[in-house]
Amino acid sequence: QVQLQESGPGLVKPSETLSLTCTVSGGSINSYFWSWIRQPPGRGLEWIGYIYYSGSTTYNPSLKSRVTISLDTSKSQFSLNLTSVTAADTAVYYCARDKGDKLFDFWGQGTLVTVSS
Amino acid sequence: DIQMTQSPSSLSASVGDRVTFTCRASQSISSYLNWYQQKPGKAPKALIYAASSVQNGVPSRFSGSGSGTDFTLTISSLQPEDFATYYCQQSYSTRPITFGQGTRLEIK
Repeated sequence: QVQLQESGPGLVKPSETLSLTCTVSGGSINSYFWSWIRQPPGRGLEWIGYIYYSGSTTYNPSLKSRVTISLDTSKSQFSLNLTSVTAADTAVYYCARDKGDKLFDFWGQGTLVTVSS
Repeated sequence: DIQMTQSPSSLSASVGDRVTFTCRASQSISSYLNWYQQKPGKAPKALIYAASSVQNGVPSRFSGSGSGTDFTLTISSLQPEDFATYYCQQSYSTRPITFGQGTRLEIK
């Protein structure tokens, strides 16, 4: 059974960079797309972007100027960097897998990141 | 962006009821529509993909239909564990992938 686990700081200061890592276990990171999705408290889901196992990326245009997703296949991890954060970036951040059909079939448990000084 | 609009935003129902959720896309997305269930404090769980295909392990009381711009998710006989928030998501375009705002299903 594939498992995903997010890790990273729960508190980030405004204007700084939010950095999270997702560790994949129980399955290969190859041949799949790996996404980051976020959910502000009490609100809906926003797709941030994905990385293919080959390293190619696609980002949400609304966040593209601030987002970088990278992959470390040797560690079965992929990461999110979001620069110049504000309070509006406070959310639960999820990592998720899709097989190419853009159905997110496995998700991490989510990690709350609060942007505050 | 393809806008996904769900209705209603919340719904009250009783165990055993048949309930239907609606999702409308701002443009045709063929059958590229997925449904998720999310319980408080948990990650979403995939229920339906490609508008009408039931994900492995999902009970048969869940079904989906629709194509083009209008889609529905139906629960044929509500069980206590079904009270949650339901989201639709279009997989037609990745520029960007978008979700509906959710429908919260509450106990009457």
